[in-house]
Amino acid sequence: KQEVTQIPAALSVPEGENLVLNCSFTDSAIYNLQWFRQDPGKGLTSLLLIQSSQREQTSGRLNASLDKSSGRSTLYIAASQPGDSATYLCAVRFPNDMRFGAGTRLTVKP
Amino acid sequence: NAGVTQTPKFRILKIGQSMTLQCTQDMNHNYMYWYRQDPGMGLKLIYYSVGAGITDKGEVPNGYNVSRSTTEDFPLRLELAAPSQTSVYFCASCPMGGTQYFGPGTRLLVL
Repeated sequence: KQEVTQIPAALSVPEGENLVLNCSFTDSAIYNLQWFRQDPGKGLTSLLLIQSSQREQTSGRLNASLDKSSGRSTLYIAASQPGDSATYLCAVRFPNDMRFGAGTRLTVKP
Repeated sequence: NAGVTQTPKFRILKIGQSMTLQCTQDMNHNYMYWYRQDPGMGLKLIYYSVGAGITDKGEVPNGYNVSRSTTEDFPLRLELAAPSQTSVYFCASCPMGGTQYFGPGTRLLVL
């Protein structure tokens, strides 16, 4: 069964700190992996998309890596800001399925 | 471009009633998806479509039906609403292998 797990479930850090969010998946036969941000009561905003042939993607202060063989992806956020507070979800596209992790709820304290 | 639009934004249904959640995208994407999100949880795939006339089940299809007669529209039908279908429903679209774009969601309460 294809599953996606995110650790930790919640994270609280002081402003300015660098942090890493983790996503693991049980099947290495993936098409791509996408990181999203979700603010309370809102929809999902795409942050980064990594194709199965890629190792990492960067956008501003965000860097996502992918290691298919170990079934892991990380989202690195540099110099965190209070505006980064949100829930971060990873989604893995398998050949005939799409699975989401339960998310990591991030709080960045001023 | 409006992106992905969903209607209604919020709906209360009585047990046993039926309704259709509408989803439209104007980006000419082939792939469209319906998800549900329960409180504190990630999204679960209900149905998806890889093009007009083609639909397939996701992880949690029971109690739902879909159709895809055009590239733009992908409605989700609930035939006999049950309290377990209380959730937030998201529609998404993407080009093949590309980024998924999400609608704002429909909040459904079944009483």
